[in-house]
Amino acid sequence: DAGVIQSPRHEVTEMGQEVTLRCKPISGHDYLFWYRQTMMRGLELLIYFNNNVPIDDSGMPEDRFSAKMPNASFSTLKIQPSEPRDSAVYFCASSSTGFGDYGYTFGSGTRLTVV
Amino acid sequence: DQQVKQNSPSLSVQEGRISILNCDYTNSMFDYFLWYKKYPAEGPTFLISISSIKDKNEDGRFTVFLNKSAKHLSLHIVPSQPGDSAVYFCAASATGTASKLTFGTGTRLQVTL
Repeated sequence: DAGVIQSPRHEVTEMGQEVTLRCKPISGHDYLFWYRQTMMRGLELLIYFNNNVPIDDSGMPEDRFSAKMPNASFSTLKIQPSEPRDSAVYFCASSSTGFGDYGYTFGSGTRLTVV
Repeated sequence: DQQVKQNSPSLSVQEGRISILNCDYTNSMFDYFLWYKKYPAEGPTFLISISSIKDKNEDGRFTVFLNKSAKHLSLHIVPSQPGDSAVYFCAASATGTASKLTFGTGTRLQVTL
């Protein structure tokens, strides 16, 4: 299995632009998670899905952030409009059980820079 | 408000010695704790976990200790190896919301020769 695939690996955009981050989970994993990593706050859970349905989006910082999972093999995290404080590494993870241990797999992340 | 805290941003240890990474939490509802390891340009990978019904869990060179009264856990790596050099994240979850992991800010471990 290729693991969790995220694209792009790096994104540089200007303030005010729309940014879309993409994630392909491991086949058969029913849970998908979006995280943001910053130096100050570490890894923060933004939102997670179970069977393509958003279960908890309490970590989404503002209405500028939205996430969708149109099918079991694809999810997007969109920021519109983007701001410099959104600069971070965004990780997607998937799991078959929803628990954080064995089988909980992170992608390699998307480093977002908003200038 | 950081509910999981890793107060040491970095740690340097000689090869062969013990590495001790610490983590404190404030939410008394947390009952499952995990450690993740992260190399540069990669996502975190699960390392070891412990349930609140235990105070110790071992897996090879890695041992996690939990002190519930102090709301403190630690990860011991013995002996430390250069390949252990990475960022280590502590995470916690609560019964009923086991899929919601709360992470700390990470500790960068460097194992020197």
